[in-house]
Amino acid sequence: AQSVAQPEDQVNVAEGNPLTVKCTYSVSGNPYLFWYVQYPNRGLQFLLKYITGDNLVKGSYGFEAEFNKSQTSFHLKKPSALVSDSALYFCAVRAAGNTPLVFGKGTRLSVIA
Amino acid sequence: EAGVAQSPRYKIIEKRQSVAFWCNPISGHATLYWYQQILGQGPKLLIQFQNNGVVDDSQLPKDRFSAERLKGVDSTLKIQPAKLEDSAVYLCASSLTATTNYGYTFGSGTRLTVV
Repeated sequence: AQSVAQPEDQVNVAEGNPLTVKCTYSVSGNPYLFWYVQYPNRGLQFLLKYITGDNLVKGSYGFEAEFNKSQTSFHLKKPSALVSDSALYFCAVRAAGNTPLVFGKGTRLSVIA
Repeated sequence: EAGVAQSPRYKIIEKRQSVAFWCNPISGHATLYWYQQILGQGPKLLIQFQNNGVVDDSQLPKDRFSAERLKGVDSTLKIQPAKLEDSAVYLCASSLTATTNYGYTFGSGTRLTVV
């Protein structure tokens, strides 16, 4: 069965600094990896995905993520954080075929002005 | 395109009462999911539908939870009777197919408080 680990409950970063939110995964076969963001009282919004191809994927709002197969990681990054990036971030994985997304527990990002 | 619609947005009930949530997915999306998100945790899959058939309900507490997707469009999730630990946000999501390379589209969720 697939699983996702987000080792940090909270990440604090100053506005303008680079940010990284960590994610590692476990899945049989090739992984399908996703990042979602959740703002207060809102549903989850899709940020980016890795299916195949380049290990560095670019998504919405200037976010990117790097797929590292040997380390089974898919860390979310942004070169320069904004206060408006403050939210709850979820990493998710699914295996090939008719399998649903499995989510990590989430990491709360706080960007301080 | 219109998003995934859910109602109600909020619901407060007493334990042992029953409650129902409604979801209208994006038009044409064959696959529909119900997730439970307890405070401080990631969403956990309750049930997955493909059209009007159940694909995966292995994590649905079937003694109290039930779900249906009549005609392969709208879906309802019911809890009867509710327990305190059912307090959570219930998220509905849809996707074009179960094997799509695209992520799911989520609704805004229904926040349930059981007192």
